[in-house]
Amino acid sequence: QQQVKQSPQSLIVQKGGIPIINCAYENTAFDYFPWYQQFPGKGPALLIAIRPDVSEKKEGRFTISFNKSAKQFSLHIMDSQPGDSATYFCAASKDTDKLIFGTGTRLQVFP
Amino acid sequence: GAVVSQHPSRVICKSGTSVKIECRSLDFQATTMFWYRQFPKQSLMLMATSNEGSKATYEQGVEKDKFLINHASLTLSTLTVTSAHPEDSSFYICSATAPVGFETQYFGPGTRLLVL
Repeated sequence: QQQVKQSPQSLIVQKGGIPIINCAYENTAFDYFPWYQQFPGKGPALLIAIRPDVSEKKEGRFTISFNKSAKQFSLHIMDSQPGDSATYFCAASKDTDKLIFGTGTRLQVFP
Repeated sequence: GAVVSQHPSRVICKSGTSVKIECRSLDFQATTMFWYRQFPKQSLMLMATSNEGSKATYEQGVEKDKFLINHASLTLSTLTVTSAHPEDSSFYICSATAPVGFETQYFGPGTRLLVL
């Protein structure tokens, strides 16, 4: 019940495409859903996060869609750029308690 | 956002030696710090949670006598890998948060440990 399932494992898009990464959770007590971006050899950096009281949140080119009834949330990257090539992790937690991470999606954006 | 640093960024040691990794919150007081381990091309796995002034809480399967955690102040937590072995080679990442004004954990840049 503590798992967060993430898909796909890897994703290849061309510049300007809109990659979509999906996550699903089981624990209904989770109330905080962040997405992290990680470059090789670096720590993860917070991209965007959402709470269950909203269905969508946008920050720049990044959008989270949240479906509370389905217990799913997804990350959309608009107008993707080669610099967006990284590994993306979704996560879930109750407040700022320990984060449960998804398995990660390796995104490659080709020029 | 808040800044978390780690030192060293990478360390190579011989099997059987102990290695200490420091995690510092530079511009805020971190009441809680977390330590993660990440193997190549895998996700982050939480090892332990530490609160300032109290003993760390370890996740199931993490040996507390092997991975010693000390959260001595509101800005510093240390992870000591005792009697390191090659299988302990990994990327160790800390994160920090505070109960007031913080919605999330802020992560350090990570420490690459290689045990020969």
